[in-house]
Amino acid sequence: QSALTQPPSASGSPGQSVTISCTGTSSDVGSYVFVSWYQQHPGRAPKLIIYEVNKRPSGVPDRFSGSKSGNTASLTVSGLQAEDEADYYCSSYGDSNNLVFGTGTKVTV
Amino acid sequence: EVQLVESGGGLVQPGESLRLSCAASGFTFSSYGMAWVRQAPGKGLEWVSALSDSSYRTYYADSVKGRFTISRDNSKNILYLQMNSLRAEDTALYYCAKGNFGSGTYSPPDAFDVWGQGTLVTVSS
Repeated sequence: QSALTQPPSASGSPGQSVTISCTGTSSDVGSYVFVSWYQQHPGRAPKLIIYEVNKRPSGVPDRFSGSKSGNTASLTVSGLQAEDEADYYCSSYGDSNNLVFGTGTKVTV
Repeated sequence: EVQLVESGGGLVQPGESLRLSCAASGFTFSSYGMAWVRQAPGKGLEWVSALSDSSYRTYYADSVKGRFTISRDNSKNILYLQMNSLRAEDTALYYCAKGNFGSGTYSPPDAFDVWGQGTLVTVSS
């Protein structure tokens, strides 16, 4: 049940795009479409922004998009805005009937 | 308004027990799988445990298996986490979370669309 690997930090200027990777194994990310992404602002609970690799919950801007290739999933935030500055976590269903989160990425705008 | 409110956290000594509660409102609690997710101070998220809508299936992270028990009372719309034999490494903010879809009967909820504000558990002598 090792955590999925994410880069510790990423940054971009307002209006630019940033892509965050989430690397797992063939026992989790590589085998399932159940990959989700969460945004967490300091002192706040996480917020679901992507589920099932590339689906957005109602109310999440289409600036947020997800994809997956092999054992690596990715989150892209386009048209960066100041309010996008936050920590981002991926998660994936795993072979052992469990869920594993990523190590987290701090995005700076 | 859809809401989850956790309670029951506090300071305990290693080896002691604690029971967390999560009161749900604004949705049909009995129709969704639920979960606990924790976050150690300054650290990332860690999935702890999940439970199907009817309590038929339970799921645990290896780090808590045999020590923690998840349960729910659908008549009261409350989710519980009984934590025994607590260790220093269990110190964290514990979030209650609602599964995005489905019952959780065949696999644990894989995405969480509603979260509580968390309750802090500190294990220290």
